[in-house]
Amino acid sequence: QKEVEQNSGPLSVPEGAIASLNCTYSDRVSQSFFWYRQYSGKSPELIMSIYSNGDKEDGRFTAQLNKASQYVSLLIRDSQPSDSATYLCAVNTMAGGTSYGKLTFGQGTILTVHP
Amino acid sequence: EPEVTQTPSHQVTQMGQEVILRCVPISNHLYFYWYRQILGQKVEFLVSFYNNEISEKSEIFDDQFSVERPDGSNFTLKIRSTKLEDSAMYFCASTAGIGETQYFGPGTRLLVL
Repeated sequence: QKEVEQNSGPLSVPEGAIASLNCTYSDRVSQSFFWYRQYSGKSPELIMSIYSNGDKEDGRFTAQLNKASQYVSLLIRDSQPSDSATYLCAVNTMAGGTSYGKLTFGQGTILTVHP
Repeated sequence: EPEVTQTPSHQVTQMGQEVILRCVPISNHLYFYWYRQILGQKVEFLVSFYNNEISEKSEIFDDQFSVERPDGSNFTLKIRSTKLEDSAMYFCASTAGIGETQYFGPGTRLLVL
């Protein structure tokens, strides 16, 4: 079974600090990786996508991908109370060597940013 | 900005009843998906749909479930005979290409009594 694992937290950081969220995945041939944010009772909202090894920055967010270690992370700089949410790692997994776009999600990390 | 829409936002039904959940994907997208999330659990893939046919389905997506694109805009999920364990949030998603970002609708909260 292809799995995506996240530390469920909760992760609590003070306002202005860096929050670091981690994710590992088991499907070695995965090509597309996503971080979504989900507020309670709402749908997943895309934060970042990453496809190549290395770092990708967008504003206060940086995604890091290491395919050799099967590891993807999200850093949130200058964390704000409005960043408090559940962060979902999602991986585009294959079926029999073919991708139909299915996303496999981790269980999510609950982030709380306190003033 | 284009978005995925879903109706209804909430649905309460009796066990054994049929429900149809509706989605309007983003207009130029070609790939469509249904996911569900039981309260407190992870988001789970149900089915993917492309070119008017199912391309992949999960073990959850048994004979009680079906999907359809009845016209050029709507994408529906039908549950023929609902069970208590079908109570969940159901999300529709769409994307322009495989491996690209999937955009999620706001969800339908289904409660089976």
